[in-house]
Amino acid sequence: QQKVQQSPESLSVPEGGMASLNCTSSDRNFQYFWWYRQHSGEGPKALMSIFSDGDKKEGRFTAHLNKASLHVSLHIRDSQPSDSALYFCAASPLTFGDGTVLTVKP
Amino acid sequence: NSKVIQTPRYLVKGQGQKAKMRCIPEKGHPVVFWYQQNKNNEFKFLINFQNQEVLQQIDMTEKRFSAECPSNSPCSLEIQSSEAGDSALYLCASRRQRDTEVFFGKGTRLTVV
Repeated sequence: QQKVQQSPESLSVPEGGMASLNCTSSDRNFQYFWWYRQHSGEGPKALMSIFSDGDKKEGRFTAHLNKASLHVSLHIRDSQPSDSALYFCAASPLTFGDGTVLTVKP
Repeated sequence: NSKVIQTPRYLVKGQGQKAKMRCIPEKGHPVVFWYQQNKNNEFKFLINFQNQEVLQQIDMTEKRFSAECPSNSPCSLEIQSSEAGDSALYLCASRRQRDTEVFFGKGTRLTVV
């Protein structure tokens, strides 16, 4: 079964800092990655998707995909306390990473 | 904001009891997913539907869970005989036929005592 390895398990950054999250797929046939964010007590919400090699920027969020290495990353610049949440990557609706807990300290 | 509605938000059952939860997917979303999120935040796909038909499900779902998505009624997920290990957040999600983005509800938190 396709697997997605996500790292780190947890991450703490100061307010205004850069947060970097990573995912690697075990299946070369993946078509895309989605990043989801889940605040406490809520269901996950989609942040952004990436289908092509390179960078995709949406506001403070930048996703980077390297299909050759099956790796995707999410970078959050100017991190805010409201960014504190659980972040998941997904290579399909059936395959999610185990999540990264991001804490942004004021 | 997601319009996937899940009820109840919280459910407490004794071991061996049935536990049933419901989900109304977003309008126009024929594909529905159920997931289990454990206390370590790990996601496990359980089953998915397209309209009323089961597309995929894992072994655990086949054996102890029953799920359906009847037309004009909420989808449901039922655990036939709850076990302590079933305590988790159960998330329902839906998407349009050809989209890749999945929209989640807020979940039903099941506690088996």
